[in-house]
Amino acid sequence: SQQGEEDPQALSIQEGENATMNCSYKTSINNLQWYRQNSGRGLVHLILIRSNEREKHSGRLRVTLDTSKKSSSLLITASRAADTASYFCATYQDYKLSFGAGTTVTVRA
Amino acid sequence: GAGVSQTPSNKVTEKGKYVELRCDPISGHTALYWYRQSLGQGPEFLIYFQGTGAADDSGLPNDRFFAVRPEGSVSTLKIQRTERGDSAVYLCASSYGLAGGSDTQYFGPGTRLTVL
Repeated sequence: SQQGEEDPQALSIQEGENATMNCSYKTSINNLQWYRQNSGRGLVHLILIRSNEREKHSGRLRVTLDTSKKSSSLLITASRAADTASYFCATYQDYKLSFGAGTTVTVRA
Repeated sequence: GAGVSQTPSNKVTEKGKYVELRCDPISGHTALYWYRQSLGQGPEFLIYFQGTGAADDSGLPNDRFFAVRPEGSVSTLKIQRTERGDSAVYLCASSYGLAGGSDTQYFGPGTRLTVL
């Protein structure tokens, strides 16, 4: 069964705009990770945030984690056409990743 | 290569046949994972190896599915008596198997299995 749920399911934005997607989960976690998947490159790890962290940055990515609400958000700033992909949050517990169904992001030129 | 590799990239088989899917992890990674991804869904955990042994096989859907990693490196996922519902992309990942919540899993490109 899948623990995470992403919202929205799909997102279409103009190049240069920011994209925000949210993830909710059900049980306690060690960490939460975000992955990107497109047909050309498979599933690529983007960022990991530990359960004792609240915010993390990596380049144009900003991730927040609220363990009291069991939720996380991923912000992509200044989007580019190459950011077009599906984005998945995955909770990590006992060496296993549990993925949501993903958010499909389309960046229009 | 530096990444996780999987062969074949595509496999088409007939219902009832036996298939083997192979995964070559990143050199030095002791942990290896298999996931299955159906269309429109995120990957679902199948089995996790630490070294040669299956540390957690709780995600295998039934006894038609079996995986081995005899020398602690390459792994093979074996599916007997395939069913149409087994059609999916089978993803392999590897990691250092670190404890403490900082372990990152690196995924291969997957094998797309189609059961006719």
